[in-house]
Amino acid sequence: GQQLNQSPQSMFIQEGEDVSMNCTSSSIFNTWLWYKQEPGEGPVLLIALYKAGELTSNGRLTAQFGITRKDSFLNISASIPSDVGIYFCAGRASNTGKLIFGQGTTLQVKP
Amino acid sequence: NAGVTQTPKFRILKIGQSMTLQCTQDMNHNYMYWYRQDPGMGLKLIYYSVGAGITDKGEVPNGYNVSRSTTEDFPLRLELAAPSQTSVYFCASSLTRPGTGERSNQPQHFGDGTRLSIL
Repeated sequence: GQQLNQSPQSMFIQEGEDVSMNCTSSSIFNTWLWYKQEPGEGPVLLIALYKAGELTSNGRLTAQFGITRKDSFLNISASIPSDVGIYFCAGRASNTGKLIFGQGTTLQVKP
Repeated sequence: NAGVTQTPKFRILKIGQSMTLQCTQDMNHNYMYWYRQDPGMGLKLIYYSVGAGITDKGEVPNGYNVSRSTTEDFPLRLELAAPSQTSVYFCASSLTRPGTGERSNQPQHFGDGTRLSIL
C-alpha cells in the first residue's frame, strides 16, 4: 500500500538548535498534516497544509507543502526542552483520498 | 468539554479473550476513527465512521469490529484477541474530513490512547 517515508527516525539535539524533518511519498498528496505526540497522549495537530508550495508557521514551527506535492518538511527553530516528543507527518493521497501517517521522528532535546 | 475520551487506558488480555475499547466524543463530530500505533510506527487506520450508522474499513481492519449507533460513541471490538493485536489504540474524531481543504485549527482530535497487551 501507499507509504510515507519520514526522516530522520530520531534526533538528539542541543537546546537552541534548529531542527528539520521531512516526509516523502511516491504518489501525489493534496494535504499534508504535521502532528506532535507526547508520551501517554494522543497526537496533536501542529500545522495543516492544503496547497502545493504553501509555507505555514505556528510559532517556532514552520512547515511547507512541496511543489511536487510529494513531500513536506517541518522546521523547528531554537529548540527548547518541551519540544521533546514524536513528530508525525500525515498526508491525504490524491488518488485514494486516504489519510496515511509517516513512521514518526523522535526528538530529544538536551538542555 | 472533555473532547475525545477513551477507556480503559490500559488492559491485559489473554489470547482468545474478547473486549471492547470504548470511545466517546462530546463535540458533535460526524467523523470518528480508530487507529493502532505499534512501536516505531505511525498510525494505522483500523475503521472509521462518517456518521451514526455508517462504518467502513481502514487499512488494517482484520480482527476488529466497530459499531456507531450514536454520534457520540464509536466502540472497537476485539472478538478473539491475538498477540499481534498488542498495540496502543487511538480513537479520533473530526467535524470535517481531515485534509479536505476545509480549514480548521484541529481537523482531528485524538484521545489519550488505550495500551493493550495480549499475552
